[in-house]
Amino acid sequence: AQRVTQPEKLLSVFKGAPVELKCNYSYSGSPELFWYVQYSRQRLQLLLRHISRESIKGFTADLNKGETSFHLKKPFAQEEDSAMYYCALTGSNYKLTFGKGTLLTVNP
Amino acid sequence: KAGVTQTPRYLIKTRGQQVTLSCSPISGHRSVSWYQQTPGQGLQFLFEYFSETQRNKGNFPGRFSGRQFSNSRSEMNVSTLELGDSALYLCASSLVSGDGNTIYFGEGSWLTVV
Repeated sequence: AQRVTQPEKLLSVFKGAPVELKCNYSYSGSPELFWYVQYSRQRLQLLLRHISRESIKGFTADLNKGETSFHLKKPFAQEEDSAMYYCALTGSNYKLTFGKGTLLTVNP
Repeated sequence: KAGVTQTPRYLIKTRGQQVTLSCSPISGHRSVSWYQQTPGQGLQFLFEYFSETQRNKGNFPGRFSGRQFSNSRSEMNVSTLELGDSALYLCASSLVSGDGNTIYFGEGSWLTVV
């Protein structure tokens, strides 16, 4: 069975501080990993995907197959980064599985 | 292009009643999935439909059901409502099942059970 674990329900940092949102997964094959973000009063939307190795809004995420992790990182957090973040996985069974989410608050 | 549309946006029901929520996917998307979002449990998968067939199902009681029509529009139904069913119900559509690259979410239907 595939599973996504986000160990922190809440994460609070100060503006300008580095931020790391943790995501661990369980899947026997080669998964595709994603991060989604939901800003206040907005739709849940795709932030980035591991396959494109892109940096969006200063966020990056590296897939570590040895540690089965896909942590989301940003060197300098901004107040506008405050949002709910979901890690997700899709495998060959065409099922998209989300973690429970981490609420990030960036304090001024 | 038009996004995923969910109706109604807000509704209040009493315990024991039933409710039907509707979702219109993005044109061309054949997969529709439903999620329940609450502050305590986060995002929980309900079920996913592709070409009118239920492909995947989450761990919810049988009171939660859904269907998809030939035009890919989908409905979900909750019978015998309980207070704990109060939540934001999100619908998402994608080109194919489990496609995290093309999945788009609606704004959700806020259900309050009193």
